[in-house]
Amino acid sequence: QSVLTQPPSVSAAPGQKVTISCSGSSSNIENNYVSWYQQLPGTAPKLLIYDNNKRPSGIPDRFSGSKSGTSATLGITGLQTGDEADYYCGTWDSSLSAGPVFGGGTKLTVL
Amino acid sequence: QVQLQESGPGLVKPSETLSLTCTVSGGSFSSYYWSWIRQPPGKGLEWIAYIHYTGSTNYNPSLKSRVTISVDTSKNQFSLKLNSVIAADTAVYYCARRIGPSDVFDIWGQGTMVTVSS
Repeated sequence: QSVLTQPPSVSAAPGQKVTISCSGSSSNIENNYVSWYQQLPGTAPKLLIYDNNKRPSGIPDRFSGSKSGTSATLGITGLQTGDEADYYCGTWDSSLSAGPVFGGGTKLTVL
Repeated sequence: QVQLQESGPGLVKPSETLSLTCTVSGGSFSSYYWSWIRQPPGKGLEWIAYIHYTGSTNYNPSLKSRVTISVDTSKNQFSLKLNSVIAADTAVYYCARRIGPSDVFDIWGQGTMVTVSS
Protein backbone atom coordinates (compact mmCIF):
# COMPACT_ATOMS: atom_id res chain seq x y z
CA GLN A 1 0.00 0.00 0.00
CA SER A 2 1.58 3.25 -1.18
CA VAL A 3 1.61 6.36 1.00
CA LEU A 4 0.46 8.43 -1.97
CA THR A 5 -2.68 7.39 -3.87
CA GLN A 6 -2.89 7.45 -7.65
CA PRO A 7 -5.53 6.00 -9.99
CA PRO A 8 -4.25 2.70 -11.44
CA SER A 9 -5.01 3.75 -15.00
CA VAL A 10 -6.19 6.59 -17.21
CA SER A 11 -6.77 6.74 -20.94
CA ALA A 12 -7.46 9.28 -23.64
CA ALA A 13 -7.24 9.67 -27.38
CA PRO A 14 -4.29 11.18 -29.25
CA GLY A 15 -4.38 14.96 -29.17
CA GLN A 16 -6.56 15.07 -26.09
CA LYS A 17 -5.72 16.15 -22.55
CA VAL A 18 -5.44 13.93 -19.48
CA THR A 19 -4.87 14.56 -15.79
CA ILE A 20 -3.41 12.20 -13.20
CA SER A 21 -4.10 12.80 -9.53
CA CYS A 22 -1.91 12.10 -6.52
CA SER A 23 -3.50 12.21 -3.09
CA GLY A 24 -1.61 12.39 0.18
CA SER A 25 -1.79 14.07 3.56
CA SER A 26 -0.45 16.89 5.72
CA SER A 27 2.67 14.84 6.46
CA ASN A 28 3.69 14.66 2.83
CA ILE A 29 2.14 16.54 -0.10
CA GLU A 30 0.64 19.46 1.84
CA ASN A 31 3.96 20.58 3.29
CA ASN A 32 6.50 19.41 0.73
CA TYR A 33 7.33 19.72 -2.93
CA VAL A 34 5.90 17.17 -5.34
CA SER A 35 7.72 15.64 -8.29
CA TRP A 36 6.48 13.47 -11.16
CA TYR A 37 8.29 10.71 -13.04
CA GLN A 38 7.57 9.05 -16.38
CA GLN A 39 8.54 5.42 -16.85
CA LEU A 40 8.36 4.20 -20.42
CA PRO A 41 8.06 0.41 -20.83
CA GLY A 42 11.27 -1.37 -19.89
CA THR A 43 13.15 1.79 -18.93
CA ALA A 44 14.14 3.67 -15.80
CA PRO A 45 11.94 6.46 -14.44
CA LYS A 46 12.62 9.92 -15.81
CA LEU A 47 12.04 13.20 -13.97
CA LEU A 48 9.14 15.07 -15.55
CA ILE A 49 8.11 17.72 -13.02
CA TYR A 50 9.79 18.97 -9.83
CA ASP A 51 8.95 21.55 -7.17
CA ASN A 52 5.24 20.99 -7.91
CA ASN A 53 5.24 22.67 -11.33
CA LYS A 54 8.75 23.09 -12.76
CA ARG A 55 9.98 21.23 -15.83
CA PRO A 56 13.59 20.09 -16.25
CA SER A 57 15.35 21.17 -19.39
CA GLY A 58 14.11 19.19 -22.38
CA ILE A 59 10.65 18.38 -21.02
CA PRO A 60 8.00 19.86 -23.35
CA ASP A 61 5.43 22.29 -21.99
CA ARG A 62 2.71 19.76 -22.80
CA PHE A 63 3.50 18.44 -19.32
CA SER A 64 2.42 20.50 -16.31
CA GLY A 65 2.08 20.05 -12.58
CA SER A 66 0.02 21.64 -9.86
CA LYS A 67 -0.62 21.20 -6.15
CA SER A 68 -3.46 22.15 -3.85
CA GLY A 69 -3.62 21.15 -0.22
CA THR A 70 -2.98 17.42 0.13
CA SER A 71 -3.28 16.63 -3.58
CA ALA A 72 -1.21 17.14 -6.70
CA THR A 73 -2.04 16.78 -10.37
CA LEU A 74 -0.05 16.03 -13.50
CA GLY A 75 -1.52 17.32 -16.73
CA ILE A 76 -0.59 16.22 -20.23
CA THR A 77 -1.97 18.00 -23.29
CA GLY A 78 -1.72 17.08 -26.96
CA LEU A 79 -1.39 13.39 -26.11
CA GLN A 80 0.92 11.32 -28.29
CA THR A 81 1.27 7.56 -28.53
CA GLY A 82 4.79 7.99 -27.19
CA ASP A 83 3.31 9.26 -23.92
CA GLU A 84 2.06 5.76 -23.08
CA ALA A 85 3.89 5.01 -19.85
CA ASP A 86 3.58 4.65 -16.11
CA TYR A 87 3.58 7.91 -14.17
CA TYR A 88 4.61 8.23 -10.52
CA CYS A 89 4.28 11.09 -8.08
CA GLY A 90 6.82 11.51 -5.31
CA THR A 91 7.44 13.71 -2.30
CA TRP A 92 8.93 13.74 1.20
CA ASP A 93 6.97 12.24 4.07
CA SER A 94 7.70 13.56 7.53
CA SER A 95 5.75 10.98 9.52
CA LEU A 96 7.37 8.15 11.49
CA SER A 97 8.64 6.69 8.23
CA ALA A 98 10.42 9.95 7.33
CA GLY A 99 11.82 9.80 3.86
CA PRO A 100 10.95 9.95 0.17
CA VAL A 101 7.68 8.29 -0.81
CA PHE A 102 6.05 7.48 -4.13
CA GLY A 103 2.56 6.89 -5.41
CA GLY A 104 1.56 3.47 -6.70
CA GLY A 105 1.80 4.63 -10.29
CA THR A 106 -0.73 5.33 -13.04
CA LYS A 107 -0.70 3.56 -16.39
CA LEU A 108 -1.53 5.99 -19.20
CA THR A 109 -3.02 4.46 -22.32
CA VAL A 110 -3.29 6.57 -25.46
CA LEU A 111 -6.14 4.99 -27.36
CA GLN B 1 26.39 14.66 -18.75
CA VAL B 2 26.16 12.71 -15.51
CA GLN B 3 25.54 8.99 -15.91
CA LEU B 4 24.90 6.30 -13.32
CA GLN B 5 25.56 2.60 -13.83
CA GLU B 6 24.56 -0.21 -11.48
CA SER B 7 26.60 -3.39 -11.19
CA GLY B 8 26.33 -6.59 -9.19
CA PRO B 9 25.03 -10.17 -9.24
CA GLY B 10 21.67 -10.79 -10.87
CA LEU B 11 20.91 -13.82 -8.70
CA VAL B 12 21.15 -14.09 -4.92
CA LYS B 13 20.19 -17.03 -2.73
CA PRO B 14 17.66 -16.62 0.07
CA SER B 15 19.21 -15.59 3.42
CA GLU B 16 22.34 -14.29 1.70
CA THR B 17 23.47 -10.69 1.10
CA LEU B 18 22.61 -8.64 -1.97
CA SER B 19 25.47 -6.32 -2.94
CA LEU B 20 25.27 -3.64 -5.63
CA THR B 21 27.52 -0.77 -6.68
CA CYS B 22 26.64 2.38 -8.59
CA THR B 23 29.35 4.19 -10.56
CA VAL B 24 28.87 7.88 -11.27
CA SER B 25 30.55 9.37 -14.33
CA GLY B 26 30.55 12.57 -16.33
CA GLY B 27 30.01 15.04 -13.53
CA SER B 28 30.50 16.08 -9.95
CA PHE B 29 30.12 13.47 -7.22
CA SER B 30 30.32 15.97 -4.41
CA SER B 31 27.49 18.13 -3.11
CA TYR B 32 24.82 15.57 -3.87
CA TYR B 33 22.89 12.78 -2.22
CA TRP B 34 23.03 9.35 -3.85
CA SER B 35 20.17 6.92 -3.52
CA TRP B 36 18.94 3.38 -4.09
CA ILE B 37 15.35 2.75 -5.20
CA ARG B 38 13.80 -0.59 -6.12
CA GLN B 39 10.82 -1.78 -8.13
CA PRO B 40 9.42 -5.32 -7.75
CA PRO B 41 8.13 -6.84 -10.99
CA GLY B 42 4.87 -5.18 -12.01
CA LYS B 43 4.84 -2.96 -8.93
CA GLY B 44 5.69 0.60 -7.93
CA LEU B 45 8.81 2.35 -6.69
CA GLU B 46 10.21 1.95 -3.18
CA TRP B 47 12.98 4.18 -1.81
CA ILE B 48 15.63 2.17 0.05
CA ALA B 49 18.29 4.61 1.27
CA TYR B 50 20.43 7.59 0.37
CA ILE B 51 23.88 8.81 1.31
CA HIS B 52 25.57 12.20 1.09
CA TYR B 53 29.07 12.33 -0.34
CA THR B 54 30.21 13.23 3.19
CA GLY B 55 28.84 9.90 4.44
CA SER B 56 25.62 11.07 6.08
CA THR B 57 22.88 8.47 5.54
CA ASN B 58 19.11 8.00 5.69
CA TYR B 59 17.31 4.66 5.47
CA ASN B 60 13.76 3.52 4.79
CA PRO B 61 12.59 2.40 8.26
CA SER B 62 10.97 -0.73 6.80
CA LEU B 63 14.37 -1.92 5.51
CA LYS B 64 16.78 -0.20 7.89
CA SER B 65 17.64 -3.30 9.93
CA ARG B 66 18.91 -5.10 6.81
CA VAL B 67 20.43 -2.31 4.72
CA THR B 68 23.82 -0.61 4.59
CA ILE B 69 24.69 2.14 2.13
CA SER B 70 28.26 3.35 1.73
CA VAL B 71 30.25 5.71 -0.46
CA ASP B 72 33.72 5.69 -2.01
CA THR B 73 34.46 9.22 -3.17
CA SER B 74 37.85 8.21 -4.60
CA LYS B 75 36.06 6.02 -7.14
CA ASN B 76 32.86 8.08 -7.52
CA GLN B 77 30.91 5.05 -6.37
CA PHE B 78 28.31 4.22 -3.77
CA SER B 79 27.10 0.78 -2.74
CA LEU B 80 24.16 -1.09 -1.28
CA LYS B 81 24.14 -4.17 0.90
CA LEU B 82 20.85 -5.87 1.79
CA ASN B 83 21.16 -8.73 4.27
CA SER B 84 19.05 -11.84 4.77
CA VAL B 85 17.26 -11.50 1.46
CA ILE B 86 13.93 -13.19 0.75
CA ALA B 87 11.92 -13.69 -2.42
CA ALA B 88 10.10 -10.39 -1.82
CA ASP B 89 13.42 -8.58 -2.35
CA THR B 90 13.34 -9.61 -6.01
CA ALA B 91 13.22 -6.36 -7.95
CA VAL B 92 14.88 -4.00 -10.37
CA TYR B 93 17.29 -1.93 -8.31
CA TYR B 94 17.97 1.63 -9.46
CA CYS B 95 20.60 4.06 -8.29
CA ALA B 96 19.67 7.71 -8.59
CA ARG B 97 20.95 11.18 -7.77
CA ARG B 98 18.85 13.01 -5.21
CA ILE B 99 18.64 16.79 -4.96
CA GLY B 100 18.08 17.50 -1.29
CA PRO B 101 15.78 20.40 -0.55
CA SER B 102 13.12 19.42 -3.05
CA ASP B 103 13.69 15.69 -2.59
CA VAL B 104 13.93 15.12 -6.33
CA PHE B 105 15.58 12.18 -8.08
CA ASP B 106 16.82 13.88 -11.22
CA ILE B 107 19.17 11.32 -12.75
CA TRP B 108 18.66 7.54 -12.71
CA GLY B 109 20.71 4.54 -13.68
CA GLN B 110 19.26 2.05 -16.12
CA GLY B 111 18.50 -0.39 -13.32
CA THR B 112 19.63 -3.93 -12.61
CA MET B 113 17.35 -6.91 -12.05
CA VAL B 114 18.11 -8.94 -8.94
CA THR B 115 16.34 -12.23 -8.39
CA VAL B 116 16.31 -13.96 -5.02
CA SER B 117 16.08 -17.69 -5.59
CA SER B 118 17.83 -20.88 -4.65
